[in-house]
Amino acid sequence: QVQLVQSGAEVKKPGASVRVSCKASGYTFTNYGISWLRQAPGQGPEWMGWINTYDGNTKYAQNFQGRVTVTTDTSTSTAYMDVSSLRSDDTAVYYCARDVNLAPATLQDYWGRGTLVTVSS
Amino acid sequence: HSALTQPASVSGSPGQSITISCSGTSSDIGAYNFVSWFQQHPGKAPQLIIFDVSNRPSGLSDRFSGSKSGNTASLTISGLQADDEADYYCSSYTTKKSPIFGTGTKVTVL
Repeated sequence: QVQLVQSGAEVKKPGASVRVSCKASGYTFTNYGISWLRQAPGQGPEWMGWINTYDGNTKYAQNFQGRVTVTTDTSTSTAYMDVSSLRSDDTAVYYCARDVNLAPATLQDYWGRGTLVTVSS
Repeated sequence: HSALTQPASVSGSPGQSITISCSGTSSDIGAYNFVSWFQQHPGKAPQLIIFDVSNRPSGLSDRFSGSKSGNTASLTISGLQADDEADYYCSSYTTKKSPIFGTGTKVTVL
């Protein structure tokens, strides 16, 4: 069955960076993209960015351009998201999700269990 | 694009039907038939329950159905059950070539 296993919770100080990992199993990793989303307390999900796991092409939401980097290691079927210059309002649960290509749209059909990132001085 | 607008809460008794609305604009819901719905139980990841406005993933209960009219999408849950108590989020592809999500609706089974 499709599984996306994310790394554990992180506590960071303002200005620091964080890396969240997402290890996929149960399907051919390079046949689907990976999206990264976050959900602040009491709010709906917010899409942050996407990577084509086959060729490494990326796309980012305007709000996160320049501060978020998404990469993959196809040898281990793992995706990574780096967020820099963390602020207190970056405190949220961060999710990876498998992306199905429905051109022009994509569909996030399976989600990881989430990684809580807390930014606090 | 700000978040799609959903009612904060909807409630119903077991066996009843409820409908959750999701209001957008001509740049998202009104522009494409790429509306999805997700169910999220407390502390869990969102689970896809409807995609492409009205399609259900394989194996999902037919008690969940979706529709769209103009800039508004709707999710109907029929035969309400205790396990349906959760948060529900809509999502739509947008003309900015990225998805946008709704504000979320808490469903309470009375």
